[in-house]
Amino acid sequence: DAGVTQSPTHLIKTRGQQVTLRCSPISGHKSVSWYQQVLGQGPQFIFQYYEKEERGRGNFPDRFSARQFPNYSSELNVNALLLGDSALYLCASSLGSRDPQNTIYFGEGSWLTVV
Amino acid sequence: AQSVTQPDIHITVSEGASLELRCNYSYGATPYLFWYVQSPGQGLQLLLKYFSGDTLVQGIKGFEAEFKRSQSSFNLRKPSVHWSDAAEYFCAVGPILTGGGNKLTFGTGTQLKVEL
Repeated sequence: DAGVTQSPTHLIKTRGQQVTLRCSPISGHKSVSWYQQVLGQGPQFIFQYYEKEERGRGNFPDRFSARQFPNYSSELNVNALLLGDSALYLCASSLGSRDPQNTIYFGEGSWLTVV
Repeated sequence: AQSVTQPDIHITVSEGASLELRCNYSYGATPYLFWYVQSPGQGLQLLLKYFSGDTLVQGIKGFEAEFKRSQSSFNLRKPSVHWSDAAEYFCAVGPILTGGGNKLTFGTGTQLKVEL
């Protein structure tokens, strides 16, 4: 079975531009989360979506937004890119949102470099 | 607010030696605890998790971790390290969000180097 898939794997953007990152969860998983991992740090929670609704938001500015589609895939959008947005963006999926024992599986991430 | 501390940024061990990676957490209720491993340029792979019950949990690749509530710790161990274990290891705690979601709070990671 396919794991969590993300695209693109690498991209370079210029300050002020906008970027869209995509994620397909494991088949049957209805919950998708996004994390930002800056070099040398642990991943930081950005958003969680379940059944197409936002269920949680981390401490990130409004330039960050996301959505989940009827097929449970998700997009993360970042507007007005700053140099500090350069990071590995990880998508994670799990079966559902209300059972804390659901294992969270991560994709390999999208490397974003802002120049 | 919940937090996770991994006091060792880098650890170097010889192949075949034992390994212990430290993790301390701060959380008001019963925590759900995890260890993930990240190889260079890769995503995160779950090694093991603790929800309740036996405080010694077994994971993949020969890893185990012990939950000690009195010390707020969840240290990762392996009796004999292999060169392929060189990677970055993250401890995480997972509370339930008020909106019904589920997020993980990660430590800053421990980079493991294995000497041959």
